[in-house]
Amino acid sequence: DIQMTQAPSSLSASVGDRVTITCRASQSISSYINWYQQKPGEAPKLLIYSASSLQSGVPSRFSGSGSGTDFTLTISSLQPEDFATYYCQQTFSIPPIIFGQGTRLEFK
Amino acid sequence: QVQLVESGGGVVQPGGSLRLSCTASGFNFNNYGIHWVRQAPAKGLEWVAFIRHDGSIKYYVDSVKGRFTISRDNSKNTLSLQMNSLRPDDTAMYYCARKKIAKDIKVEYFDYWGQGTLVTVSS
Repeated sequence: DIQMTQAPSSLSASVGDRVTITCRASQSISSYINWYQQKPGEAPKLLIYSASSLQSGVPSRFSGSGSGTDFTLTISSLQPEDFATYYCQQTFSIPPIIFGQGTRLEFK
Repeated sequence: QVQLVESGGGVVQPGGSLRLSCTASGFNFNNYGIHWVRQAPAKGLEWVAFIRHDGSIKYYVDSVKGRFTISRDNSKNTLSLQMNSLRPDDTAMYYCARKKIAKDIKVEYFDYWGQGTLVTVSS
């Protein structure tokens, strides 16, 4: 199975900061990576698909990049509503579909 | 608008059974594969199972193979997850999520999720 390693597992930041979360695949997954945001008590929400495509309705401060094994999710200027947990997901080799372990973004 | 609504969760003893449902609306259910994803308390997301739009293909995570069965009734826009031989480590919020394929490079992703239904396995 392909493993997805996210870093960091938690991150403290302030409103207006630029934040980067990384995800590394255990083998090449081309661009078969997606990013989700989850707030406490809510279902996950799709942010980015195919490594860099912004889901409709998602603010443009969110962006994704990478190909192969190394990927990043960037929030260009943190807003109060962005404090949440973020997950990467690989859909290159299925089953199984693997999620990263999550990155908790907290207010500094 | 697209909606997925899970139901059927509850408290069950180890070794017991539970049947979860996911009712879809706002889209042509017949055309979409659907996944189940679970999240144990204070833990990350774990993919559980998938069923193709016509029910012809099903996948499961190894930890539930032989115990869980995914099925669907397209005439009722409903997905089910029959869970047998439940264990304490099956305790989680269970979400159904719609499969979508990107038009360009065919990457699969989950574009809509339900709100989840909580399963607690405890004596």
